[in-house]
Amino acid sequence: AQSVTQLDSQVPVFEEAPVELRCNYSSSVSVYLFWYVQYPNQGLQLLLKYLSGSTLVESINGFEAEFNKSQTSFHLRKPSVHISDTAEYFCAVSDREDTGRRALTFGSGTRLQVQP
Amino acid sequence: KAGVTQTPRYLIKTRGQQVTLSCSPISGHRSVSWYQQTPGQGLQFLFEYFSETQRNKGNFPGRFSGRQFSNSRSEMNVSTLELGDSALYLCASSLGRGLGNTIYFGEGSWLTVV
Repeated sequence: AQSVTQLDSQVPVFEEAPVELRCNYSSSVSVYLFWYVQYPNQGLQLLLKYLSGSTLVESINGFEAEFNKSQTSFHLRKPSVHISDTAEYFCAVSDREDTGRRALTFGSGTRLQVQP
Repeated sequence: KAGVTQTPRYLIKTRGQQVTLSCSPISGHRSVSWYQQTPGQGLQFLFEYFSETQRNKGNFPGRFSGRQFSNSRSEMNVSTLELGDSALYLCASSLGRGLGNTIYFGEGSWLTVV
């Protein structure tokens, strides 16, 4: 069975400061990894994904995440946050091997609160 | 290209009633999944449909059901509503069932059971 642990339920940070949202996973099979963002009263938006290749993936709005297989982690980082980054961030995994399961397993979410 | 569209966005139902939620996937997407989001349990997978057939089901009671139509649109139904069914129900679509297909979410249907 898969599980995803987001170690911080809330992360307060000042505007223009760097931030790291932590995500660890456990799985008996290889996985694909995702970060989704949820703004208030909205659905989930895909922020970035790791499927294969370079372990460092980037999004168009300045976020990046690095897949670390040995530490089973996929932490999300941004060097300088904006007020508009205030949202809830979810880490998720899906099977990479053909187990027949086509579903995302989500972490419990991290609420990023950017303060002026 | 339009995103995943869910209707209704908000609804209030009484305990014991039943509810049907609708989802239109992104054009060309054939796989539709449903998730339940609650403050206590977080995001949980309900079921997945592809080619009008349920392919996967999460750990939910039989009161939760769904279906997919030939145009890939999907509905989910919850019968005999309980207070604990109050949640945001999210529909998601992807091109196919291939491993690594990116899953895109709608804005959800907020269900309140009173």
